[in-house]
Amino acid sequence: QVQLQESGPGLVKPSQTLSLTCTVSGASISSGGSFWTWIRQPAGKGLEWIGRIYTGGNTYYNSSLKSRVTISEDTSKNQFSLRLSSVTAADTALYYCARERTRSKGIDFWGQGTLVTVSS
Amino acid sequence: SYVLTQAPSVSVAPGQTATIPCGGDKVGSKSVHWYQQKPGQAPVLVVYDDTDRPSGIPERFSGSNSGNTATLTISRVETGDEADYYCQVWDTRDAHMVFGGGTKLTVL
Repeated sequence: QVQLQESGPGLVKPSQTLSLTCTVSGASISSGGSFWTWIRQPAGKGLEWIGRIYTGGNTYYNSSLKSRVTISEDTSKNQFSLRLSSVTAADTALYYCARERTRSKGIDFWGQGTLVTVSS
Repeated sequence: SYVLTQAPSVSVAPGQTATIPCGGDKVGSKSVHWYQQKPGQAPVLVVYDDTDRPSGIPERFSGSNSGNTATLTISRVETGDEADYYCQVWDTRDAHMVFGGGTKLTVL
């Protein structure tokens, strides 16, 4: 069973950088066949894709966030990370990491989500 | 950018059939996935690649996709099916994952 766990600060000040890490167990992020993905959900609203990374560091980002987002991997720790710079209150949301299988299989495993609040 | 449109809410009586549409330009040419999200929980994949069900998902959940509309159908609806449902595609032109706005299913 694949498990994902988000970790990182729950409170970030405006204009600073949000940093989250997703620790994966039950699967290797370097084995291929999966995209490792970040998605967020503001309170009471829908799901917004942030971006994803594939083995070897190939990344895809939401163009609305692209100038502020970096997703990276640490295969030695079986983790992948999200950095979102210059945050504002609009970035306050529940942040999920997830696994998306390739070949149109959808997102089959999700973390429990971590709430990040942007406030001074 | 590609847009998926979902009705904000659908209501159905227990035991009846719920249909949840997801509209998009030529969405029939794309692979559509559906997620169920209950309050306070992460989403769960209930249908992938238009019509396939992950293991553990009841046969009552089915999907179809043609033309400009994909549809999630839930047969013999139960009170436990009450949740938000999201459709999702990968837009190859912009290399973006796109979610619909979500439909809240209420079981009367």
